Amino acid sequence: EVVMTQSPATLSVSPGERATLSCRASQSVSNNLAWFQQKPGQAPRLLIYDASTRATGIPDRFSGSVSGTEFILTISSLQSEDFAVYYCQQYHYWPRTFGQGTNLEI
Amino acid sequence: EVQLVESGGGLVQPGRSLRLSCTASGFTFGDYAMTWVRQAPGKGLEWVSFIRSKSYGATTEYAASVKGRFTISRDDFNTIAYLQMNGLKTEDTAVYYCARGLLGNSHYYFDIWGQGTLVTVSS
Repeated sequence: EVVMTQSPATLSVSPGERATLSCRASQSVSNNLAWFQQKPGQAPRLLIYDASTRATGIPDRFSGSVSGTEFILTISSLQSEDFAVYYCQQYHYWPRTFGQGTNLEI
Repeated sequence: EVQLVESGGGLVQPGRSLRLSCTASGFTFGDYAMTWVRQAPGKGLEWVSFIRSKSYGATTEYAASVKGRFTISRDDFNTIAYLQMNGLKTEDTAVYYCARGLLGNSHYYFDIWGQGTLVTVSS
């Protein structure tokens, strides 16, 4: 199966700052990569699909990009509501696999 | 409003069975694939199972950890997706989420999620 590796495990930033989260796949998944946000006690929320397309209703401070085999989620100016756990997920191969998550904290 | 609501979770003994339901509203259920994803307490997300729409044969996919024990199915008339879980193990303890599968460029991604239902397997 495709192993998704996220880094860092925890990212400490301040409101208003920029956050950059990384996700690497153990083999090529083309652009079939999604990012999810999960807050405590809540379901995951789709942020980005096809590596760089924002889902409906997602603010434009969230952006996804690809650099070689590395997928990047950038949050340009952190708001208080953005502090959460972020997961990447590949949907190119079965089984679908998720990264272990990045905890974005203040 | 597009909505998914899971139900059927609870406390069950190892080796027993449980059936989860995911009731959909606000969209044409029969046109979409559906999936189940679980999250053990304090852990990350683990994909469990997937079913395509009838237009694509309602074919299914399973994670290796549940293959042969879990069965996904769908009732398009009542807009419900099911997860039948047999031979439950303590390691199946998790919150189970259902999600809608949206077909992009020949691949499905999961766009709308329910709030989850907790399954606890313990004696």
